[in-house]
Amino acid sequence: DGGITQSPKYLFRKEGQNVTLSCEQNLNHDAMYWYRQDPGQGLRLIYYSQIVNDFQKGDIAEGYSVSREKKESFPLTVTSAQKNPTAFYLCASSIMGGRTSGANVLTFGAGSRLTVL
Amino acid sequence: GQNIDQPTEMTATEGAIVQINCTYQTSGFNGLFWYQQHAGEAPTFLSYNVLDGLEEKGRFSSFLSRSKGYSYLLLKELQMKDSASYLCAVRGGLSGGSYIPTFGRGTSLIVHP
Repeated sequence: DGGITQSPKYLFRKEGQNVTLSCEQNLNHDAMYWYRQDPGQGLRLIYYSQIVNDFQKGDIAEGYSVSREKKESFPLTVTSAQKNPTAFYLCASSIMGGRTSGANVLTFGAGSRLTVL
Repeated sequence: GQNIDQPTEMTATEGAIVQINCTYQTSGFNGLFWYQQHAGEAPTFLSYNVLDGLEEKGRFSSFLSRSKGYSYLLLKELQMKDSASYLCAVRGGLSGGSYIPTFGRGTSLIVHP
């Protein structure tokens, strides 16, 4: 079955450490996204990518980095520069296509919960 | 900028009908999405509206009025499993070559017996 796989599901980090969250999709989607979810805050966009080797900053990109070396993979690194990294991180993908009804309908992974000790 | 408002929390009784509202102010408009998210799980797509009117899908319906910047999600014959957070997301104008949806804070719906 096609879908998005995020790992790890739970991650603990000490202050000052970088951590990388994995996101892999086999839906053949061009676009991939990373969102952060905090209680009462909804989903906030960190980074997105529409094509291999290209990505764009979202609303809260500071302290994060991404890469898109393969269409299927879009890993997120939470760096030590991120001051408040404890959150639930969601990866998503979608087809492209501008304003068509199918475009930007997001398929989400199960999420990764990061806790800073 | 984009501003999307939803009530924070709602409660309803099993078997009843509930309406979750979403108002938005965006630069450009290219569609509105509703997602359902159970606690600790991934959001799942429920509906998409781009034209005014009501879209019905089983027990769930979604309505859009573009002139009023308003949408609602209507859930009928509520079941306990409908207890979840409901996220409204608006696809605004073209930004960076794409139409990226912006999410509201979500409405937590509690269904009780």
